[in-house]
Amino acid sequence: DAGITQSPRHKVTETGTPVTLRCHQTENHRYMYWYRQDPGHGLRLIHYSYGVKDTDKGEVSDGYSVSRSKTEDFLLTLESATSSQTSVYFCAISDVGSRNGYEQYFGPGTRLTVT
Amino acid sequence: GESVGLHLPTLSVQEGDNSIINCAYSNSASDYFIWYKQESGKGPQFIIDIRSNMDKRQGQRVTVLLNKTVKHLSLQIAATQPGDSAVYFCAEKLTGGGNKLTFGTGTQLKVEL
Repeated sequence: DAGITQSPRHKVTETGTPVTLRCHQTENHRYMYWYRQDPGHGLRLIHYSYGVKDTDKGEVSDGYSVSRSKTEDFLLTLESATSSQTSVYFCAISDVGSRNGYEQYFGPGTRLTVT
Repeated sequence: GESVGLHLPTLSVQEGDNSIINCAYSNSASDYFIWYKQESGKGPQFIIDIRSNMDKRQGQRVTVLLNKTVKHLSLQIAATQPGDSAVYFCAEKLTGGGNKLTFGTGTQLKVEL
């Protein structure tokens, strides 16, 4: 998985509790992304980062926040988890797009269940 | 990780046959396209990419064709093997859209022995 780890890999939590998912990379790539994957939908971008402390919203950012205090770590926080946030969450990384393309490399995913 | 296997179009092929997986993309301003493979329980894996100034690109056992006129992308897999069974989806990047990709919903490829 291109030097990308996600933790935890599985989590069950109750509605209303805060949850933080961690993505760690060893590739020194500039860009990091958080997606969610649900049946009937493609991967949907939640937030992304284009550098340390530089983040921006994706198409489904409501209810989520992110932080990136160092190049290798990108945290996704659900401030108050809801059942609609039950999903599989993927982290991805990419280098600066150029001659080498814009491909993103994905971690193994985190399955989150909110009861 | 998990793959999204529900409610997906399915393509069933015999082992050794060629597979063609199609993708209709949404934006004529897209300038870069990628195909990903996602096996059950894993994250998506990069297969091949193509820029909009190309019509065809070949990799190892895979070929991507781009038809900009009808906004259509296809992935051809030669001599399909059981290990090719997975969900395949395309992604597009908008011109001027930075590094962000927009992903399709995917096609389930099943290889029958």
